[in-house]
Amino acid sequence: DIQVTQSPSSLSASVGDRVSITCRASQGIGNYLAWYQQKPGKVPNLLIYGASTLQSGVPSRFSGSGSGTDFTLTISSLQSEDVATYYCQKYNSAPWTFGQGTKVEIK
Amino acid sequence: EVQLVESGGGLVQPGGSLRLSCAASGFTFSTYWLHWVRQAPGKGLLWVSRINTDGSSTDYADSVKGRFTISRDNAKNTLYLQMNSLRAEDTALYFCARAARSGSYDYWGQGTLVTVSS
Repeated sequence: DIQVTQSPSSLSASVGDRVSITCRASQGIGNYLAWYQQKPGKVPNLLIYGASTLQSGVPSRFSGSGSGTDFTLTISSLQSEDVATYYCQKYNSAPWTFGQGTKVEIK
Repeated sequence: EVQLVESGGGLVQPGGSLRLSCAASGFTFSTYWLHWVRQAPGKGLLWVSRINTDGSSTDYADSVKGRFTISRDNAKNTLYLQMNSLRAEDTALYFCARAARSGSYDYWGQGTLVTVSS
């Protein structure tokens, strides 16, 4: 099975900072990579699909890049409402593996 | 409005069984793949199982293969997860999720809590 490794596991940044989270697949998955945001006590919410396509309604400060094995989620200017855990997920084939998650906090 | 509403969770003893349901509305149920995803308390998301539009094709995580069965009733707009031989490590909030045309999950239910304990 293809493994998905997400880093860092947590980060703390100031409001307005540029924040990046990476996701690495152990084999190429094309652009079949999604990013989800899960706020405390809430259901996950789709941010990015196809590695770089912004889901409707998601603020433009979120962006995704990469293909093959290396992917990045970037928040261009961190806001207080972005406090959450972020997950990547491969969906090219079974198993639809999630990354371990990155907890984002405000410094 | 798309809605996914899970039910059927609860407290069960190790070795027991439960059947989860996910009632869908607001979209043409029979044209979408559906998945189950779980989240143990304080832990990350774990994909569990997936079913295609007519139920003829399914996949399972290794950790549940042979114990869990995913199914759907397109006439009732309902997704199911039959869970047998439950273990303590199956304790989690179980979400159903709709796979968008892209394959990613565009809608999630609120989840139903399964607790396996004696």
